[in-house]
Amino acid sequence: GAVVSQHPSRVICKSGTSVKIECRSLDFQATTMFWYRQFPKQSLMLMATSNEGSKATYEQGVEKDKFLINHASLTLSTLTVTSAHPEDSSFYICSAKLPGLAGGHEQFFGPGTRLTVL
Amino acid sequence: AQRVTQPEKLLSVFKGAPVELKCNYSYSGSPELFWYVQYSRQRLQLLLRHISRESIKGFTADLNKGETSFHLKKPFAQEEDSAMYYCALGGWGKLQFGAGTQVVVTP
Repeated sequence: GAVVSQHPSRVICKSGTSVKIECRSLDFQATTMFWYRQFPKQSLMLMATSNEGSKATYEQGVEKDKFLINHASLTLSTLTVTSAHPEDSSFYICSAKLPGLAGGHEQFFGPGTRLTVL
Repeated sequence: AQRVTQPEKLLSVFKGAPVELKCNYSYSGSPELFWYVQYSRQRLQLLLRHISRESIKGFTADLNKGETSFHLKKPFAQEEDSAMYYCALGGWGKLQFGAGTQVVVTP
């Protein structure tokens, strides 16, 4: 149980274009999802917390107009990298937690999306 | 502010030797600590959480509030334990990850 999927697994785009990444909870409803960024050989950096039906909460230093997050349903959150540039190239990982107090702070992670901006 | 420190970037051990990964944390409230593992080309997955107080794949971790530590231990390392290990602190609705420790187990 508690499986999270991401699509696509890899994407290559041209500089200036926008890219959308989907994160789905497959067998549970996730009122809260998270988006992370991971640079090579580095830890996960939380970008934002995505709450179903409300605006995402962005971490300090993360441009909300650059990284648009939409959590329109209990099983889907999307991250759109707008006007992507080479410095946005990275590994983007989403996660989800069980609703309410179930599971505490435990999060279930997607497999990640490798974004390369040319 | 919550902070997680993993002082070792890389731990290289021989198969059958004990391994200990250090994790120290800073948090003003009651912490919820986790160890996550990331095997090569796989997603991050939960290894242990301090609330469960269980042993998974031979690993154990004890929360020491006095020393603010949550070190991960295994008495006899196996080659399949080679992976990246992250200590994480749950608080204020989110997880704070340490920098991670790469464990390499050589035969």
